[in-house]
Amino acid sequence: DAGVIQSPRHEVTEMGQEVTLRCKPISGHNSLFWYRQTMMRGLELLIYFNNNVPIDDSGMPEDRFSAKMPNASFSTLKIQPSEPRDSAVYFCASSPGNEQFFGPGTRLTVL
Amino acid sequence: AQKITQTQPGMFVQEKEAVTLDCTYDTSDPSYGLFWYKQPSSGEMIFLIYQGSYDQQNATEGRYSLNFQKARKSANLVISASQLGDSAMYFCAMRDWEYGNKLVFGTGTILRVKS
Repeated sequence: DAGVIQSPRHEVTEMGQEVTLRCKPISGHNSLFWYRQTMMRGLELLIYFNNNVPIDDSGMPEDRFSAKMPNASFSTLKIQPSEPRDSAVYFCASSPGNEQFFGPGTRLTVL
Repeated sequence: AQKITQTQPGMFVQEKEAVTLDCTYDTSDPSYGLFWYKQPSSGEMIFLIYQGSYDQQNATEGRYSLNFQKARKSANLVISASQLGDSAMYFCAMRDWEYGNKLVFGTGTILRVKS
């Protein structure tokens, strides 16, 4: 079985550019989560969806961040415009109930 | 208040020995879940084990077991017969309804297995 798929795995961009991160959850999982991991702040939940509906976006740092889940098999996290402080590893995770299964992450570097 | 506390920034263990990684938590919700994840140097987050607050027995998954002491609010991870491949960062996490059913992670413990 394929796990959670994220793309791209690495992204290097310049400040001010739009960045779109993509996630395909495990089939059958009804919850999807976006996390950010940095050395300073550790793992932070940004937003999560239940049955494609955003439930809690209180972790989204600013209006520059937005997330969508148009269907059960796809989600995006967009940063526009990006800033150097957005540099981090962004994880997507999906869950059938209790356990959350993480994707490999996207390492974002904003120059 | 810190929801999840991992007091050991780093631990060493000799190969083939057992090691315990500490985790304490704080919640007033009677229904909650506790999780352990492993993050090797390659960066992926690997789910290891789950314990529900109402589970009567300690969770076990292969060489991993969770020493759940509800009254003490602790959920320590025990790794038996350590292997070199166990060297990684280990995160304890909790989910409770008070926090909107989200996973809240501790700061992690780096484990190094020595040969």
